[in-house]
Parts: sequence; structure tokens; C-alpha cells
Amino acid sequence: GAVVSQHPSWVICKSGTSVKIECRSLDFQATTMFWYRQFPKQSLMLMATSNEGSKATYEQGVEKDKFLINHASLTLSTLTVTSAHPEDSSFYICSAYSGSTPQYNEQFFGPGTRLTVL
Amino acid sequence: GENVEQHPSTLSVQEGDSAVIKCTYSDSASNYFPWYKQELGKRPQLIIDIRSNVGEKKDQRIAVTLNKTAKHFSLHITETQPEDSAVYFCAASRTNAGKSTFGDGTTLTVKP
Repeated sequence: GAVVSQHPSWVICKSGTSVKIECRSLDFQATTMFWYRQFPKQSLMLMATSNEGSKATYEQGVEKDKFLINHASLTLSTLTVTSAHPEDSSFYICSAYSGSTPQYNEQFFGPGTRLTVL
Repeated sequence: GENVEQHPSTLSVQEGDSAVIKCTYSDSASNYFPWYKQELGKRPQLIIDIRSNVGEKKDQRIAVTLNKTAKHFSLHITETQPEDSAVYFCAASRTNAGKSTFGDGTTLTVKP
């Protein structure tokens, strides 16, 4: 199957700083990537849909100025958590799909990034 | 928007027994239903999926059934093993939309 990587795998930062998380599709071109947030023992909550070459589409309740998404190429999307606070601490997971049938709907998940804000 | 409900939230079975997890969805336009297994601290892994033109799909010990009329689908795991212990998520999406709505997850524990 296709491979999606994330970097870093974990990060600890001070309150007020910004953190950038990278999501890369390693062996396929991803026209669309998704960013999820997952709290302990909870489900994946979709934050936004990242489309290459256009603005991201944010889910209701997600602050677009807080969570900046840039999909600069067909293999890279970045999520920047700006002015991070302890409540932003979470597990952030990206996923990608290539848009080619018959795997059109299959999402390939990255390994996740554990963010801890002190 | 789509709403996916998943039951039970926790399930404990004896090794060798079967496990069944059920999901319902609200959007009649949804036509792709994957199931994911997630181990602690790791990424979700697709274990089986079904599209709306199929009623049942099986892959070794894992099967999924879909009832489009009732808008529910189920995951069946037979001959469970301790390594099946994990959190399982169902999801629903529309073709060409890509965006999936996930259920709340089921924590499956298989006791040796």
C-alpha cells in the first residue's frame, strides 16, 4: 500500500510558540490530504481538508488562523499550530488519498505526531 | 452532515470467540465504508472495506456486512486472537468526496 510519513513524531514546546507538522506521501501523489486530531481514547476528529494548490477547507469549529494548513505540492502538506497552548496538546494525524480508482476512497494514514504544550 | 454511531464502545471476548461491532450512518449518499484497527499510539490501519454495491465482503477471519436500506454495517471477527486486541473504528464517506466520518471506536479486548 501507499506510504504516508509525518514529521516530527513527537514534539514538546512552550506555550505561545508555533509548531509545524509535515505530512508527506512517499510513493504517490496526493491531491488531497486530511488533518485529524485525536484525544486519548477518542475518535479521529477531522480538522480540515487540504487541497494541493488551493486553500484548505476547515471543519466547523476549527480556527483557521490557529491551525494553518499549506499544501504546497502533491506530496507535502503542513499543519502549523500557531501560538500553541496546553489545550492544543493532542495526537495529530494526517491522511492522504491519491484519487485514483479503485483506491479512490482509501485513506493512507501517517504515523501521527504527539504534540505536548507546556 | 454525516453522523456515524458505533456500538459497543468496549467489547471483551475470550480467545477463539467471535466479535461483532456495529455501525449506523445517516447520509444515504454515503457509499464507502471502511474499518480501521488502531493500536495504542499508532496510526489507523485499514483492515477491510465495503462499497455500497456489495452486501458482504470477507477476508480470512474478518467480514463486513452492509444493509443499505437500514443504513447499518457490521464488522465480524471470527476465531479471535489476543493480537486482535485494539481499537476499531468504522467510517463512512461518499465516493469522490474523500472526507470520512468516523465512529467513536470500539475497544476490543481478547482474553487468552
